[in-house]
Amino acid sequence: GDSVTQMEGPVTLSEEAFLTINCTYTATGYPSLFWYVQYPGEGLQLLLKATKADDKGSNKGFEATYRKETTSFHLEKGSVQVSDSAVYFCALSDQGNTPLVFGKGTRLSVIA
Amino acid sequence: ETGVTQSPTHLIKTRGQQVTLRCSSQSGHNTVSWYQQALGQGPQFIFQYYREEENGRGNFPPRFSGLQFPNYSSELNVNALELDDSALYLCASSLRTGNTEAFFGQGTRLTVV
Repeated sequence: GDSVTQMEGPVTLSEEAFLTINCTYTATGYPSLFWYVQYPGEGLQLLLKATKADDKGSNKGFEATYRKETTSFHLEKGSVQVSDSAVYFCALSDQGNTPLVFGKGTRLSVIA
Repeated sequence: ETGVTQSPTHLIKTRGQQVTLRCSSQSGHNTVSWYQQALGQGPQFIFQYYREEENGRGNFPPRFSGLQFPNYSSELNVNALELDDSALYLCASSLRTGNTEAFFGQGTRLTVV
């Protein structure tokens, strides 16, 4: 079945550092890809998405490019802030937006 | 603001009991999905409801059941609770058609003792 593998955390960075969180996927079809963020004590919020190969999703300085040839959707941000501290989930869906298959999440801590 | 609300926010139950969790979907959304998120793990798909019928199910036993009402709100019922059912239960609402975003509620934290 479909699956998502993302890099293990936790990741600890200093403010203004460059962030990369790796995500690769396995899917039988041509899935849509997502990054969700979960702040402490909250539910999931969609950060960005891409629906076809070479699409770049972006939001709040975060970017990820849908790479079909490498089945990857790595999350990047050029300069992280303390407020970016959260758990980040890579996800896919074969049916537009649901149901979603999630990775295990990567906890990011940004220190001032 | 997502508009998806879940109740209760926290719940403690004893092994063997039954529990009902509730979700009010975002206005205009006709599809509700439920997910179980164990501590330190990603959410796992339980099932999805569309127009009051189950429309997809993940790898969960039949003691996990649900309902969707005409106003598209939904319930998740779990019978014969086990310790491993302790988790954050997330509800997401979306539109069945089109490539629209799924909006998540803040979840219900269930603890089984």
